[in-house]
Amino acid sequence: GAVVSQHPSWVICKSGTSVKIECRSLDFQATTMFWYRQFPKQSLMLMATSNEGSKATYEQGVEKDKFLINHASLTLSTLTVTSAHPEDSSFYICSARNQGQGPAQGYTFGSGTRLTVV
Amino acid sequence: GENVEQHPSTLSVQEGDSAVIKCTYSDSASNYFPWYKQELGKGPQLIIDIRSNVGEKKDQRIAVTLNKTAKHFSLHITETQPEDSAVYFCAASKGGFQKLVFGTGTRLLVSP
Repeated sequence: GAVVSQHPSWVICKSGTSVKIECRSLDFQATTMFWYRQFPKQSLMLMATSNEGSKATYEQGVEKDKFLINHASLTLSTLTVTSAHPEDSSFYICSARNQGQGPAQGYTFGSGTRLTVV
Repeated sequence: GENVEQHPSTLSVQEGDSAVIKCTYSDSASNYFPWYKQELGKGPQLIIDIRSNVGEKKDQRIAVTLNKTAKHFSLHITETQPEDSAVYFCAASKGGFQKLVFGTGTRLLVSP
């Protein structure tokens, strides 16, 4: 089945630095990628939706200059947390929709990245 | 926009019992309703889904029912096992390449 590889699985960074998270679709072309953030014991909150080759659409309240999303190819999307602060510490998860899949197919999730900003 | 409510927030059952988790959605245009299981530190895993043209779907011990009129759908797990312990999320989407809106999650604990 469809697989999305997300890296790194965890990262610790110093406050003020930037961190890049990658999601790769291994056996399909991901036309659309969704990025979620999940705080402990809470649900997944959509941050942005990106379509290959175009600018991402951010949800209300998400700073687009802080959370940079690049979806330059059909198999790779990246999320960069710029000037990270402790409040950005969270679990980040990507999800992809397969270009070749019809309405009967679902969404494939990455394994998540635990970001800790110290 | 779409809003998905999920109940209960926690559910404790004995091994072998059944577990039921319920969700309601607000947008009548939603037509795709997946259920995910999330284990600690991992991404969500799809366990079953249902589309608006179907009222019920079953896969071994897991079943999902959908009531479009009332705008609610439920997850049923029979003969629960300790390995079923996890957080379960319902979600709703308008299909196609539309976003998923998640419920608040249910922490299921199955005791041996």
